Amino acid sequence: DVKVTQSSRYLVKRTGEKVFLECVQDMDHENMFWYRQDPGLGLRLIYFSYDVKMKEKGDIPEGYSVSREKKERFSLILESASTNQTSMYLCASSSFSRNTEAFFGQGTRLTVV
Amino acid sequence: SQQGEEDPQALSIQEGENATMNCSYKTSINNLQWYRQNSGRGLVHLILIRSNEREKHSGRLRVTLDTSKKSSSLLITASRAADTASYFCATAPTGANSKLTFGKGITLSVRP
Repeated sequence: DVKVTQSSRYLVKRTGEKVFLECVQDMDHENMFWYRQDPGLGLRLIYFSYDVKMKEKGDIPEGYSVSREKKERFSLILESASTNQTSMYLCASSSFSRNTEAFFGQGTRLTVV
Repeated sequence: SQQGEEDPQALSIQEGENATMNCSYKTSINNLQWYRQNSGRGLVHLILIRSNEREKHSGRLRVTLDTSKKSSSLLITASRAADTASYFCATAPTGANSKLTFGKGITLSVRP
C-alpha cells in the first residue's frame, strides 16, 4: 500500500520558533509538494520539488523554506513561526514519468500561539 | 494564484440523487484531476482526465473535460450518505513539470 507519512498529526508551537514539518514517501516519486489548507481558501501550493535538491516556489512561499536532501523526504521549514501560519499542512507526492495522481499524507494541523 | 475554481461552493442533495460539480481553469493543462477529502483528512484521488480526452467513467463517477471552454464537470450518480465530503479539482499544466494546483473545493452533503 502506497504511503505518504507526515511526522506529526497535531503540532503546537510558539511565535518566533523555527518549525520543521517532515514528509516521507515510499513510492520512489520524483515530485513532492507542500500545501496549506485554510477554510474558504482551499489548498494553496507553498513549494514543489521535482527532484533531489530541486525546488520551485508555489503561490505562497513567503515565510517558508524547504529541503529535499533525499528523494523520499521533503521538509517544510517555518523560519520564524507566526500566528498567521496556523493552518492544516498537507504533503503530497506524485510520479513525474507517468504524470499521474498525487498521493497525500494525513495532514499536520499546526497551531502557532 | 489558484488555477481551478469549483462551482457551486456547496451542494446539498438527497440520497439517490445525482450530484454535479463544475470546475473552470485558466491556462493550458496536461490533465485535470478530481480529489475527495473527508473531514480533517488528506485528499484521495478519484479520477484523472487527460487533455485529449473528453469523458471518463469510474464506477459511479463520470468526468467530462471541455478544453475549449477550460472547464470540467464531475457527476456522481445515485449518491449515498457516504459521499458527503469536500471535492477538489486540480490541474497539471502543460510543460515539463507536474506542479499540481487546486481549487477551493465544493462541500457536498448527501442527506439520508
